[in-house]
Amino acid sequence: DAGVTQSPTHLIKTRGQQVTLRCSPKSGHDTVSWYQQALGQGPQFIFQYYEEEERQRGNFPDRFSGHQYPNYSSELNVNALLLGDSALYLCASSWGHSNTGELFFGEGSRLTVL
Amino acid sequence: AQTVTQSQPEMSVQEAETVTLSCTYDTSESNYYLFWYKQPPSRQMILVIRQEAYKQQNATENRFSVNFQKAAKSFSLKISDSQLGDTAMYFCAFMKHGLAASGTYKYIFGTGTRLKVLA
Repeated sequence: DAGVTQSPTHLIKTRGQQVTLRCSPKSGHDTVSWYQQALGQGPQFIFQYYEEEERQRGNFPDRFSGHQYPNYSSELNVNALLLGDSALYLCASSWGHSNTGELFFGEGSRLTVL
Repeated sequence: AQTVTQSQPEMSVQEAETVTLSCTYDTSESNYYLFWYKQPPSRQMILVIRQEAYKQQNATENRFSVNFQKAAKSFSLKISDSQLGDTAMYFCAFMKHGLAASGTYKYIFGTGTRLKVLA
């Protein structure tokens, strides 16, 4: 049973560039959330997708956008990269009708902006 | 707005000993979940233990147990018989109760406690 998979695992970009990160949820899950974890900090909620719609958004600028596909996979796009966008980006999945609260996390994509 | 505070940035414990990690939170919600997640170095975050606020009984999972004090808004994690594999970053997290599909699966994390188990 495949867990949450993310790609790429590491990438380096320069300021002003754009990046796309990808996530495949755990088998059977249809809800995907994205978190940003800066070095030495706890993860911060970016947004959550269900049925291909953004259901909730954290306090992140419009440069951060996402998409969910019919197969439940998801992308996180960040435009006009800033040095402060350097972080580990975590994808987490769950089943939409769950009320247990549990999220399943991927290993993350580590983005370095130079 | 909800907040989660972990006041111990780093802790260490001898193998086989017991250690307690602290977490406090602030919320006006009455129905919510609290979690402890473990993030080993360069590995994915995994759930250690989960507590539903309406349950008075403290959750336990093998060597892991919590002390949930709802009135004090405190949620500490006790690890008994510490093992080398327990070395990791531990995050306390809060979430309002609800269905994932409604968009409520939004965790508020603390800043984490780095635990090192010494041989």
